[in-house]
Amino acid sequence: GDSVTQMEGPVTLSEEAFLTINCTYTATGYPSLFWYVQYPGEGLQLLLKATKADDKGSNKGFEATYRKETTSFHLEKGSVQVSDSAVYFCALLTLTGRRALTFGSGTRLQVQP
Amino acid sequence: NAGVMQNPRHLVRRRGQEARLRCSPMKGHSHVYWYRQLPEEGLKFMVYLQKENIIDESGMPKERFSAEFPKEGPSILRIQQVVRGDSAAYFCASSPTGERVKEQYFGPGTRLTVT
Repeated sequence: GDSVTQMEGPVTLSEEAFLTINCTYTATGYPSLFWYVQYPGEGLQLLLKATKADDKGSNKGFEATYRKETTSFHLEKGSVQVSDSAVYFCALLTLTGRRALTFGSGTRLQVQP
Repeated sequence: NAGVMQNPRHLVRRRGQEARLRCSPMKGHSHVYWYRQLPEEGLKFMVYLQKENIIDESGMPKERFSAEFPKEGPSILRIQQVVRGDSAAYFCASSPTGERVKEQYFGPGTRLTVT
């Protein structure tokens, strides 16, 4: 079945540090890949997406590239801010099967001033 | 354009009571999904509905849980005879039709506590 594996957190960084959160996946078919962000007490917000190999999703300074050869979709940001502190979820969707997002377990990011 | 709306935001039920969770999708969205998030875990799919149809309920527990999305009104997730293990955050998402069907937009969630 489909699955997503994320690096465990928490990840603690100082403001302006470089961020990488690793995400790898296994899927039948050709998935679309997503990063969602969840701030405390809130729902998930779609951060970025990529629908085919070599696509790069980007939003608010975050980027992730769909790497089919390594089945990865790592999230990066060049300079994090305190306001980026949240839980980040990697997810995939294959329309050929269930139209359900399969989520990783989430990675908590804490940015210190 | 208002986002996905869920109510109540917090719900406390005693064991054995019924819980009803409501979800209004974004305007123009005809696909609704329910997910459950246990503490410190990712979201797990429960059910996918379109108006008046359950498309995929493979993630729903076989007993006590049901969902509907009527022609008029919000989608409802119903949990009968709640138990402590049902305590979780329940999120609804909606998506448009067409090319953007892959994009699911989430509501703020309903946090259910069973005492």
